Amino acid sequence: DIQMTQSPSSLSASVGDRVTITCRASQGIRNDLGWYQQKPGKAPKRLIYAASSLQSGVPSRFSGSGSGTEFTLTINSLQPEDFATYYCLQYNSHPHLTFGGGTKVEIK
Amino acid sequence: ELQLVESGGGLVQPGRSLRLSCAASGFRFDDYAMHWVRQAPGKGLEWVSGISWKSGIIGYADSVKGRFTISRDNAKNSLYLQMNSLRAEDTALYYCARDTSSNIFGGMDVWGQGTTVTVSS
Repeated sequence: DIQMTQSPSSLSASVGDRVTITCRASQGIRNDLGWYQQKPGKAPKRLIYAASSLQSGVPSRFSGSGSGTEFTLTINSLQPEDFATYYCLQYNSHPHLTFGGGTKVEIK
Repeated sequence: ELQLVESGGGLVQPGRSLRLSCAASGFRFDDYAMHWVRQAPGKGLEWVSGISWKSGIIGYADSVKGRFTISRDNAKNSLYLQMNSLRAEDTALYYCARDTSSNIFGGMDVWGQGTTVTVSS
């Protein structure tokens, strides 16, 4: 099975900061990766699919990059509503999917 | 409006069974693969199981393989998860989620609000 290692597990940042979250796959997954945002008490929301494609309606300050085994979610100019937990999801090893462990973005 | 509504959660003793249901509306249910994803209290997301549009492709996480069975009834726009031999570590909020594809799992784009399963004596 493909393992997804996400880092850091948490970070503190200020409004306006640029934030970078990384996911590493235990083997190559092409660009079969998505990024999700989850706020407390809410269901996850997809931000990025196919590693770098922005989900409709998601602000352009969110971007994704990477291919193969290393992927990055970047949030430019962090906004108050962006404080949440972020997860990567690989869907290359169909029909088995794997989430990363999550990154909690907190207010500094 | 796209909507997924889970039901069937509750308190159950270890070793017993429970069946979760997910009612879909606002989209053509039989055009999409579907998934169950769970989240233990204070923990991250864990993919549990997925099923393609015509039930021809099914996958399970190793943690539930042999104990859980996913199924769907396209005529009723419903997804199910039969959970047998439940363990304390199955305690979680269980989400139903729609895939972006029909036959090849491509990630989830619509989620329900979840139903809580608590396994305890």
